[in-house]
Amino acid sequence: NAGVTQTPKFRVLKTGQSMTLLCAQDMNHEYMYWYRQDPGMGLRLIHYSVGEGTTAKGEVPDGYNVSRLKKQNFLLGLESAAPSQTSVYFCASSSGFNEQFFGPGTRLTVL
Amino acid sequence: GENVEQHPSTLSVQEGDSAVIKCTYSDSASNYFPWYKQELGKRPQLIIDIRSNVGEKKDQRIAVTLNKTAKHFSLHITETQPEDSAVYFCAASPPPGNTGKLIFGQGTTLQVKP
Repeated sequence: NAGVTQTPKFRVLKTGQSMTLLCAQDMNHEYMYWYRQDPGMGLRLIHYSVGEGTTAKGEVPDGYNVSRLKKQNFLLGLESAAPSQTSVYFCASSSGFNEQFFGPGTRLTVL
Repeated sequence: GENVEQHPSTLSVQEGDSAVIKCTYSDSASNYFPWYKQELGKRPQLIIDIRSNVGEKKDQRIAVTLNKTAKHFSLHITETQPEDSAVYFCAASPPPGNTGKLIFGQGTTLQVKP
């Protein structure tokens, strides 16, 4: 089992460009989450999903959109990237009210 | 919404000493409190967790205590080793409980000196 995977690992964007980050899990988990990690600020929840076809806002949703068309995939989109979105993005999945399994992260730089 | 504060932000101990990291939370309805360890350049991984109906939990050299009245919980690492050096995050799971979402503290960088 690969667990939770993220694509791409690294990306550099120019201000105003768009991109999509892909998260995939093979553990048949219902719940999936997107976080961003910035120095000194811990992990902040962007959006999450409690099942296929559902999404909900987290702590810092502005500037991001998500989709969960398939149970195993959770996509995070940036429509118009800004330098403030430079961060490391982690995806996670869980079976519910317990351990979240994290992906390896995507390092995004917006110039 | 839920707010989790974590202290200290950095902690340096000698190998063999104990380390304690403390977190407070704001929502008294939060009922699940995990701790994650993140080594440099790696993903966060769960090391221990506790639910609101339990006051203390141990797993070898690590333990977590929960004080619901005071709304704080702590991670205790005994007999620290260099491989314990990492960033540690606490988290709380606020209601509604059927989302599994976590609100994380800011993290504590633990350095264990040989």
